[in-house]
Amino acid sequence: AQKVTQAQTEISVVEKEDVTLDCVYETRDTTYYLFWYKQPPSGELVFLIRRNSFDEQNEISGRYSWNFQKSTSSFNFTITASQVVDSAVYFCALSEVSNYQLIWGAGTKLIIKP
Amino acid sequence: DAGVTQSPTHLIKTRGQQVTLRCSPKSGHDTVSWYQQALGQGPQFIFQYYEEEERQRGNFPDRFSGHQFPNYSSELNVNALLLGDSALYLCASRTGTGAYEQYFGPGTRLTVT
Repeated sequence: AQKVTQAQTEISVVEKEDVTLDCVYETRDTTYYLFWYKQPPSGELVFLIRRNSFDEQNEISGRYSWNFQKSTSSFNFTITASQVVDSAVYFCALSEVSNYQLIWGAGTKLIIKP
Repeated sequence: DAGVTQSPTHLIKTRGQQVTLRCSPKSGHDTVSWYQQALGQGPQFIFQYYEEEERQRGNFPDRFSGHQFPNYSSELNVNALLLGDSALYLCASRTGTGAYEQYFGPGTRLTVT
């Protein structure tokens, strides 16, 4: 069965620190997609990234970077030089090609203190 | 270019009542999915509509039903409301039914008393 685990319930760091959010997934499919979404206090989920299972290249977008490792079934998210505006709940999600429903982790609440 | 819109923003209902939530997808999107998000949890998939038909359904009872209109907008109906139905209901849209990124609306906060 598919499952997404975000073991970190809450992380609190001081502004400008780097922070990594962990995501571990389980799936029997060989083809699947992984996503990260951000949910600020306003409640609207904001799409950050989608990766497919055949592309293990790490990706960097500004202060955000993602590390995808199939060997450990992990898709971790790092924010470099964090800012207060990064405070939000971050969700990792999985989608299999056999069933395109998004399976979500429980989310990690990130608090950036000024 | 308008994103996904939902109405109403907030809603308070009594147990046993019925509620209808509405969603307009992002321009160019033809697939709408609905999610329920309880406080402190990740979203749970309710169902997905494409070409005016329910294509996939999550583990939700028949009290939850939906509809998609020719203009791709969608409604979520919940009958015989229970206290446990209190949650944020999120609508997401995308193109097609594949694993493409979904864009979410701001949600409707439903409180059942």
